Amino acid sequence: QSVLTQPPSVSGAPGQRVTISCTGSSSNIGAGYDVHWYQQLPGTAPKLLIYGNSNRPSGVPDRFSGSKSGTSASLAITGLQAEDEADYYCQSYDSSLSGPGVFGGGTKLTVL
Amino acid sequence: QVQLQESGPGLVKPSETLSLTCTVSGGSISSYYWSWIRQPAGKGLEWIGRIYTSGSTNYNPSLKSRVTMSVDTSKNQFSLKLSSVTAADTAVYYCARDLGSRRGMDVWGQGTTVTVSS
Repeated sequence: QSVLTQPPSVSGAPGQRVTISCTGSSSNIGAGYDVHWYQQLPGTAPKLLIYGNSNRPSGVPDRFSGSKSGTSASLAITGLQAEDEADYYCQSYDSSLSGPGVFGGGTKLTVL
Repeated sequence: QVQLQESGPGLVKPSETLSLTCTVSGGSISSYYWSWIRQPAGKGLEWIGRIYTSGSTNYNPSLKSRVTMSVDTSKNQFSLKLSSVTAADTAVYYCARDLGSRRGMDVWGQGTTVTVSS
């Protein structure tokens, strides 16, 4: 049971927009801690996709965007492409017994 | 650019201690947090803990009693020890540079598979 809750899977057709939610609580996202998103392509290490709720590292396409409100955060992907098919994880900090580093359970994005 | 490489035994016997090292190249290890994360096959990411170059540590409470992290700035390396391992500790282990609560983990190693089996 992950501290941060994500849907196990989402899907969309090429060119469409999809969103992935990340729901936390008052001890993590709701406490004001930033949310980061990682993309993990099959057989590879995770890659930082969004940091600080809504910031893109250099090289990440602007098709990827992040937002945060209250105890939840979202990752949006517009203009869906086949190469976006991957697992996506949210991550934040937690002030409770869960420790400073917590991940969501991950969401598998399928491009139809 | 900074690169990370995990190294260590790929097979560890039950009840023994898993030991991994992460070597930082292309940049200095100083003045950063460095994290360990693991991922059992087909499952999600689990944060194990992190160490600052001063030696200060934070561990996942669920693993805290078995985890020890250390850093060797002269070698640009940091290490993970996980004691009393069981089959449940079988996973791909990643090291990562941790920029803190506002910036996330921006550089990751390729990961190393550790299997716990007799």
